[in-house]
Amino acid sequence: DARVTQTPRHKVTEMGQEVTMRCQPILGHNTVFWYRQTMMQGLELLAYFRNRAPLDDSGMPKDRFSAEMPDATLATLKIQPSEPRDSAVYFCASAPGSGMYNEQFFGPGTRLTVL
Amino acid sequence: AQSVTQLGSHVSVSEGALVLLRCNYSSSVPPYLFWYVQYPNQGLQLLLKYTTGATLVKGINGFEAEFKKSETSFHLTKPSAHMSDAAEYFCAVSVETSYDKVIFGPGTSLSVIP
Repeated sequence: DARVTQTPRHKVTEMGQEVTMRCQPILGHNTVFWYRQTMMQGLELLAYFRNRAPLDDSGMPKDRFSAEMPDATLATLKIQPSEPRDSAVYFCASAPGSGMYNEQFFGPGTRLTVL
Repeated sequence: AQSVTQLGSHVSVSEGALVLLRCNYSSSVPPYLFWYVQYPNQGLQLLLKYTTGATLVKGINGFEAEFKKSETSFHLTKPSAHMSDAAEYFCAVSVETSYDKVIFGPGTSLSVIP
């Protein structure tokens, strides 16, 4: 049963600390998305990659957020320095590359709390 | 700009009753439309998807949705609610300038009353 995995599932940190979230997409999927979910803003797209290349990171605060895919099996989202307003659930999703608007398979999320 | 609206942030139905979750979208090109479900403490999973062709789309768990172009709607229905249907439901529309991106609506929380 292929699934998207995310680590850690929960993270509590203090303001100013660096946070790194990791995602392993489903093997063979070449499109990877990072979303942030909050009560106020709902589900927002932060960035997405195809074949490890960033295609769109317009939803991401550039001064503190960065997203990378060091290899096809790992996507990372970093926040440095973290702020209380970054508290949210961060989801990674992957999709197969062929076709248009394919189903996105979501991971279980990382719940981030910044104190 | 494209957008998705979901009427009713919270919907309650009795077990066995009809489920109707509303979704309206705006798009200047023929859209792809989706319904995703999110159970507590989980990620989203696809319920159903409309691309082209038949306007009535059947999905998993007995859900279906009908694309109505004239009304720019894609409402989700299920004839008989089960307790296990309690979850958050998100409607999404394809982004015109991308082959991958979708815009999610704000979500509707469905409660099922025994």
